[in-house]
Amino acid sequence: DSGVTQTPKHLITATGQRVTLRCSPRSGDLSVYWYQQSLDQGLQFLIQYYNGEERAKGNILERFSAQQFPDLHSELNLSSLELGDSALYFCASSEMERSGNTIYFGEGSWLTVV
Amino acid sequence: AQSVTQLDSQVPVFEEAPVELRCNYSSSVSVYLFWYVQYPNQGLQLLLKYLSGSTLVKGINGFEAEFNKSQTSFHLRKPSVHISDTAEYFCAVTPTSGTYKYIFGTGTRLKVLA
Repeated sequence: DSGVTQTPKHLITATGQRVTLRCSPRSGDLSVYWYQQSLDQGLQFLIQYYNGEERAKGNILERFSAQQFPDLHSELNLSSLELGDSALYFCASSEMERSGNTIYFGEGSWLTVV
Repeated sequence: AQSVTQLDSQVPVFEEAPVELRCNYSSSVSVYLFWYVQYPNQGLQLLLKYLSGSTLVKGINGFEAEFNKSQTSFHLRKPSVHISDTAEYFCAVTPTSGTYKYIFGTGTRLKVLA
């Protein structure tokens, strides 16, 4: 158990809908990362937050947004869903905003868009 | 920008045989290097990482990796694999300064055969 909690574990929704994925980082971790894992594109970095502020952006679509709240939990919002958004979404956290830190992954949220 | 190449998408190997999983990276700046493992239906967990010092890094479960700066490689090795090592293995890099994005390779699926 990494200490990173993600909910829901599984989610099935229809095209055009909007979903929110939630992440609670390890106790004491200030940095949160979101990744998308799909069969055809591997593990893609989406976005990183540190203590409530966006720090780095990767291949995140405009239909997707994220935020980190004062209690340090984070949410990833996915809207106008398409079939191609079906993937495993991981949240990860690390203690500080320092390169070389180990990042700890949650077990992921499986999103299926039908 | 950084990139990671894992040339082998799948590696089958018999139990108790040695294995090497290859990782090459590209970066214009110094990087830290990581290997993560993902067991079925789980999140990624850290196997080992190279930050500085000895280029031979030992990790959990008997794995080790060697950093070769001239060849920009960080190959993962294990002298004798077990059935329980069957998993997907990801190589990752992050710059030593300036940004905290962790860039992952596409993964290598190790299948240990009885």
